Amino acid sequence: DAGVTQSPTHLIKTRGQHVTLRCSPISGHKSVSWYQQVLGQGPQFIFQYYEKEERGRGNFPDRFSARQFPNYSSELNVNALLLGDSALYLCASSLAGGVGIQYFGAGTRLSVL
Amino acid sequence: AQRVTQPEKLLSVFKGAPVELKCNYSYSGSPELFWYVQYSRQRLQLLLRHISRESIKGFTADLNKGETSFHLKKPFAQEEDSAMYYCALGETSGSRLTFGEGTQLTVNP
Repeated sequence: DAGVTQSPTHLIKTRGQHVTLRCSPISGHKSVSWYQQVLGQGPQFIFQYYEKEERGRGNFPDRFSARQFPNYSSELNVNALLLGDSALYLCASSLAGGVGIQYFGAGTRLSVL
Repeated sequence: AQRVTQPEKLLSVFKGAPVELKCNYSYSGSPELFWYVQYSRQRLQLLLRHISRESIKGFTADLNKGETSFHLKKPFAQEEDSAMYYCALGETSGSRLTFGEGTQLTVNP
């Protein structure tokens, strides 16, 4: 098993553009969580999806949205990008919803110029 | 609001010395606490979960509700313990995991 996979690994965008990040969970895991990690800080919770429904949302503006597909993969979308959105975006999967053991992907590094 | 504080951004010890990474939290409910670790060029991974009460790689952590702390300890540090350590707090019956800012541990030979 490859573990949690995220694509792309790196991305460069300009202000005002929109971006879509993708995540495939570990086989058998039904929950996906998204985190933003700014340099020098710990990961910050953005969303959790379980069985294709949003189960939790962090303190992020409506420019951030996500969805989960029938195969449990997930997309994170960010509209109207700001310089401050530059960060490492981490995806984590777990067997079920809640705060059980989470398995992290390697992340997508987003740079907004 | 829940909050996790790791007071030391950097911690340096010599091989064989004891190490303690501090974590304090604030949360109105009954917390679930974790330590996650990130070794160089590897992804973030779970080290310990307080409800498991296990010792992993020689590390232990005890939840002290009176002091609202969940410090990570190891009696004899090894060079391979050098990594970034994050303390994390989970909501009871919730989905949010709140991380501290992390402590970079360096174990010198």
